[in-house]
Amino acid sequence: AQKVTQAQTEISVVEKEDVTLDCVYETRDTTYYLFWYKQPPSGELVFLIRRNSFDEQNEISGRYSWNFQKSTSSFNFTITASQVVDSAVYFCALSEATNFGNEKLTFGTGTRLTIIP
Amino acid sequence: EAQVTQNPRYLITVTGKKLTVTCSQNMNHEYMSWYRQDPGLGLRQIYYSMNVEVTDKGDVPEGYKVSRKEKRNFPLILESPSPNQTSLYFCASGGGALETQYFGPGTRLLVL
Repeated sequence: AQKVTQAQTEISVVEKEDVTLDCVYETRDTTYYLFWYKQPPSGELVFLIRRNSFDEQNEISGRYSWNFQKSTSSFNFTITASQVVDSAVYFCALSEATNFGNEKLTFGTGTRLTIIP
Repeated sequence: EAQVTQNPRYLITVTGKKLTVTCSQNMNHEYMSWYRQDPGLGLRQIYYSMNVEVTDKGDVPEGYKVSRKEKRNFPLILESPSPNQTSLYFCASGGGALETQYFGPGTRLLVL
């Protein structure tokens, strides 16, 4: 069964510091997808990134970067030079390819990130 | 603008009073799904639909029903709500083949 673990329940950092959010996953599939979503205080879920299991290249998007390592089953998310607007709950999620058409996302429990001005 | 809409956004009801939360998407997606979000549990799938008239249970389907009569709409029905269904509900739709799923704005439900 698929599982996603976000061991960091809450993190607080001072503005402009870098912060890394950890995500560890479990799956028996060789083909799967990993996602990060952001949930700001307003409550909606904002898609950040999707990564397939065959692409281990790290990705950078502005101040955001993602490190995917299959050897450790991890898909960590780093925010560089954090800003107050980054304060949110961040969810890591996994979707397996062989789920008989159900594109279910299995979510971690989320990490609440607070950026202190 | 591509979007998933949900209504109502907030709802307070009483035990046993049937309610429906609507979900609509304008992206012509075949796949749609409902999740509930609870503190410490993340989001869990309730039901999903792979196309019109094709629906199936997710991980926590008890107490819920769905229907998919049109491609764009996927309502969630609580026939007899109970307090343990107090939660934040999200509808999602995707383009198929594990494309990115997009979520509606969420519906906060309180069952007294």
